[in-house]
Amino acid sequence: KAGVTQTPRYLIKTRGQQVTLSCSPISGHRSVSWYQQTPGQGLQFLFEYFSETQRNKGNFPGRFSGRQFSNSRSEMNVSTLELGDSALYLCASSFPSETQYFGPGTRLLVL
Amino acid sequence: TQLLEQSPQFLSIQEGENLTVYCNSSSVFSSLQWYRQEPGEGPVLLVTVVTGGEVKKLKRLTFQFGDARKDSSLHITAAQTGDTGLYLCAGTPGTDKLIFGTGTRLQVFP
Repeated sequence: KAGVTQTPRYLIKTRGQQVTLSCSPISGHRSVSWYQQTPGQGLQFLFEYFSETQRNKGNFPGRFSGRQFSNSRSEMNVSTLELGDSALYLCASSFPSETQYFGPGTRLLVL
Repeated sequence: TQLLEQSPQFLSIQEGENLTVYCNSSSVFSSLQWYRQEPGEGPVLLVTVVTGGEVKKLKRLTFQFGDARKDSSLHITAAQTGDTGLYLCAGTPGTDKLIFGTGTRLQVFP
């Protein structure tokens, strides 16, 4: 069974730009969660989608948004990028238990 | 507010040594999970502990859940270079959100 895939793996953007990251969950998994990982703040929850609906949201500004498609694939978008948005963005999928399986992440660098 | 505090933050040891990593909270968790993350990869689940006082063994790794379900520990016996990585505990403190600990970065030297 293929694991969670994330694209792209690496991304360089400049301040003020926007970015879209993609996540394909494990086949059969309907829940997708997004996390931001930085050296200073560690791993922080962004949001969770289940059956195309946002089920939970972390404490991030409205510049961070996401969506889930009918095939469970998910995208997250960050608008008006700031230097502090540089991080590893991780996607995790799960169904039906709470066990989450993480993808390799997308490393975003904002210059 | 960090709900899950891990100690130590960094650990640098030689192969063959034993070590213990702690995960503490003032909140009660229905379960706690331990993950290991290697550079350039996402965290990989090692174990989930559910019952207070529970002890689980995974080869040289021993995981314990505190009786009050507020803390957990990970003990590694005879560490190997392949154990190098970032160890994270995580749990859901009464909400649906998975909260991760501050992390312990382990480096095992040959």
